[in-house]
Amino acid sequence: AQSVTQLDSHVSVSEGTPVLLRCNYSSSYSPSLFWYVQHPNKGLQLLLKYTSAATLVKGINGFEAEFKKSETSFHLTKPSAHMSDAAEYFCVVRRNTGGFKTIFGAGTRLFVKA
Amino acid sequence: GAVVSQHPSRVICKSGTSVKIECRSLDFQATTMFWYRQFPKQSLMLMATSNEGSKATYEQGVEKDKFLINHASLTLSTLTVTSAHPEDSSFYICSARDQQGVYEQYFGPGTRLTVT
Repeated sequence: AQSVTQLDSHVSVSEGTPVLLRCNYSSSYSPSLFWYVQHPNKGLQLLLKYTSAATLVKGINGFEAEFKKSETSFHLTKPSAHMSDAAEYFCVVRRNTGGFKTIFGAGTRLFVKA
Repeated sequence: GAVVSQHPSRVICKSGTSVKIECRSLDFQATTMFWYRQFPKQSLMLMATSNEGSKATYEQGVEKDKFLINHASLTLSTLTVTSAHPEDSSFYICSARDQQGVYEQYFGPGTRLTVT
């Protein structure tokens, strides 16, 4: 079985400070993991993905995430928040074997204060 | 990169009418397409999976007679919301999986449906 849990429904940071969005997953198979961002009334934009290569994944706009198998985590970080980062972020786990299935986390709303 | 388009981006319809949403893979062929629904401030929920030339597989709780899915070609899938009601108002997002390479999944920009 697969599941993904985003540990915070809302995160608020000040502009210029670090961002941490937490995601834990469970999967019976070796999963692919993704982070997507969604701005209001917009579609999804892929930030980064992990597909069993390097455990530290660098994405767009300065975001990165580290796959930690022992902790079943895939937390998203950014060293310095920008106002334009304010959006909804989704952690996604995908099973590629035994049937293709994509599971979305509940989402974390990131607020960035000036 | 691969692009998935949706049309229309926004649609308003009257209660009781039907509305069709198109999803196209623009530069790749997609044997499998997915339809998701997103309520305000919520996550995406998979409604159904469609494979080209065969019937769609609906998730539990999704009415197949209300949400008609057709995947007639390798680049086009349509979702028709029949006899729409205000509770069907939502953001509908399609996704397509390419049939070559690493079988990536690409998402469309979404369609905002408002039923009045």
